[in-house]
Amino acid sequence: GAGVSQTPSNKVTEKGKYVELRCDPISGHTALYWYRQSLGQGPEFLIYFQGTGAADDSGLPNDRFFAVRPEGSVSTLKIQRTERGDSAVYLCASSIGHQNTEAFFGQGTRLTVV
Amino acid sequence: GQQLNQSPQSMFIQEGEDVSMNCTSSSIFNTWLWYKQDPGEGPVLLIALYKAGELTSNGRLTAQFGITRKDSFLNISASIPSDVGIYFCAGPNYGGSQGNLIFGKGTKLSVKP
Repeated sequence: GAGVSQTPSNKVTEKGKYVELRCDPISGHTALYWYRQSLGQGPEFLIYFQGTGAADDSGLPNDRFFAVRPEGSVSTLKIQRTERGDSAVYLCASSIGHQNTEAFFGQGTRLTVV
Repeated sequence: GQQLNQSPQSMFIQEGEDVSMNCTSSSIFNTWLWYKQDPGEGPVLLIALYKAGELTSNGRLTAQFGITRKDSFLNISASIPSDVGIYFCAGPNYGGSQGNLIFGKGTKLSVKP
């Protein structure tokens, strides 16, 4: 597609369940980023991939959060044992290289943990 | 840790008015970025600034990189209804990767009732 695609657009899950959020970056973009945005706040950095490897995962809040990008394209953000505080919009962005200033964001996945 | 403070938090615009907002930090930034976010969408990059004192325009938008490197300003001239949205400033997190950005809490532009 023309832009960054995130699926699902909305996800409601019960506390304690496992969820996967998917990001399809723009074709040819080697860098991929995950951010989390809570209501009334700006996006908060989670993790950055350059190719298949996580170049910076310093924003992951705890070990319940994990992300992969096995073939250097699609990425999946995985959250185990979800908590109500995990409710937020999860944004994915990609850029042609490692310069985030040229990053394009997807529409996000709104996760609600009940 | 680093924080970006945006002012004002919200403002109302009337079509044709000029709008100003700013972003300040207690620490130095080497890059300032301004984004706009519409409801249900991801942020869209408006302007990127890389040098202290730099003044850059994008249509009716003009942004400046403060000479102290601790602030940046965004101006919108002759506002139109589609300017409504949330404007965020952002910059690289000190000690993090280039992909690790800190965002302010945003300035929300609404139409004057």
